[in-house]
Amino acid sequence: QSALTQPASVSGSPGQSITISCTGTSSDVGAYNYVSWYQQHPDKAPKLMIYDVSDRPSGVSNRFSGSKSGNTASLTISGLQAEDEADYYCSSYTSSSPLDVFGTGTKVTVL
Amino acid sequence: QVQLQESGPGLVRPSETLSLTCTVSGGSISTYHWSWIRQPPGKGLEWIGYIYYSGSTNYSPSLKSRVTISVDTSKNQFSLKLSSVTAADTAVYYCARGTIVGATSRPSPFDYWGQGTLVTVSS
Repeated sequence: QSALTQPASVSGSPGQSITISCTGTSSDVGAYNYVSWYQQHPDKAPKLMIYDVSDRPSGVSNRFSGSKSGNTASLTISGLQAEDEADYYCSSYTSSSPLDVFGTGTKVTVL
Repeated sequence: QVQLQESGPGLVRPSETLSLTCTVSGGSISTYHWSWIRQPPGKGLEWIGYIYYSGSTNYSPSLKSRVTISVDTSKNQFSLKLSSVTAADTAVYYCARGTIVGATSRPSPFDYWGQGTLVTVSS
């Protein structure tokens, strides 16, 4: 089961918008609207930011939004803030396994 | 507020069995799916498997032969056993809760996580 592909790093200045991609296949991202995104600060547990491609859990800032096109899902952070500096992981339901597959992770740096 | 707390040895010898327990507080273990996820130092996340409160399980195909997840609803706990460990099993192990979307209890996504516990496999 191959991990979903994410860029290793993305950076932006405060106030800017950035987008993190998550590329899978027609067996996972492309086939199902079950893509989630997690934020992980250093030495902390991941936090759910987006689920089902574009839904936000209660309490998550609306600066975070998700979308999908074909086999690629995206997480956009608008109005970038210093506190957004963290690692971000996508995950997707897959027909290849009874368990979701995670992405490789992206380190977001706020310049 | 739901809280999850992992507990168990931080050091396991090669070829032995890793055993961890996750205690759920602030809510019932019933109705939900409960998972174990691990993260090797400096690396990404790997879903190990999950258990429904009723006892049904599903495991990662790559770990299935070595993994057992069980639940004790009377103690609001669930547990992980990973046998025949090697250095490659060294990781931070997280327990997590699946979410309810609409009226459906789903194994994922994970809306509550434990703080994680580092397990090192070494002699």
